[in-house]
Amino acid sequence: AQKITQTQPGMFVQEKEAVTLDCTYDTSDQSYGLFWYKQPSSGEMIFLIYQGSYDEQNATEGRYSLNFQKARKSANLVISASQLGDSAMYFCAMRVGGSYIPTFGRGTSLIVHP
Amino acid sequence: DSGVTQTPKHLITATGQRVTLRCSPRSGDLSVYWYQQSLDQGLQFLIQYYNGEERAKGNILERFSAQQFPDLHSELNLSSLELGDSALYFCASSALGGSSYNEQFFGPGTRLTVL
Repeated sequence: AQKITQTQPGMFVQEKEAVTLDCTYDTSDQSYGLFWYKQPSSGEMIFLIYQGSYDEQNATEGRYSLNFQKARKSANLVISASQLGDSAMYFCAMRVGGSYIPTFGRGTSLIVHP
Repeated sequence: DSGVTQTPKHLITATGQRVTLRCSPRSGDLSVYWYQQSLDQGLQFLIQYYNGEERAKGNILERFSAQQFPDLHSELNLSSLELGDSALYFCASSALGGSSYNEQFFGPGTRLTVL
C-alpha cells in the first residue's frame, strides 16, 4: 500500500524568506510520481510541481522546487522568497506504477507573515 | 482557472435527501475523478471514469454513484444523505496518456452541507 506523510500540520514563515514543507512517502513500486498541490482558503486545488521517480534532476517551477531524496523517500517542497499569497494548505501526493489515482497526505498549513 | 467546472458551488440540504453534483472536464480530457475532502478524512478518492466507463473505484459509499456521459461531463449522485456527508467534493480531469505524467486538474469544488 502507498502512504504519504506530512508531519507538519502548520508552518509559519516571514515574507521573503524560504520555507520547506516536508513530505515522506512509502511505496514498493520503482515507478512513481510525486505531486504538490496548493489549496488556498477559497478551496480550489492548484497543481504546483511534479517529480518522477526516474527523474535525475530535482523539479523546479518558478519559486517552487522539489527536494527529492529517493533513498530517504522524501519529496520536500521548497518555496523561495515567500509571498503573502502563499498562505494556504499544501498537499503532497503520490501516484504509483500505472495507476492514475494519487494518494494524498493530510496537508500542511502555511502562513506567511508580513 | 483550471478549465474544470463544477456546479453548484454550494449546496445545503437535509438528511435523507438526494443531490447531484455536476462536473465538466477540461476540453480534450477523457478522465474524470471525484474526491471528497472532509476535516477528519482528508482528501479521499471516490471514483474515476475514462471516456464513459468506470476505471477505478476508491472509498465510495454504496449510497453514492457516478456516471460519465457521452459529452464527457460527469455527475456524482449522493443519496440518503447523512450529516457526515458534509464535505467539499472535487472533480478533477486528466488527459490520461497524453503526456509523460498524468497531471490532474481540479475544479473549484462543491461544498455540500447536510443539516
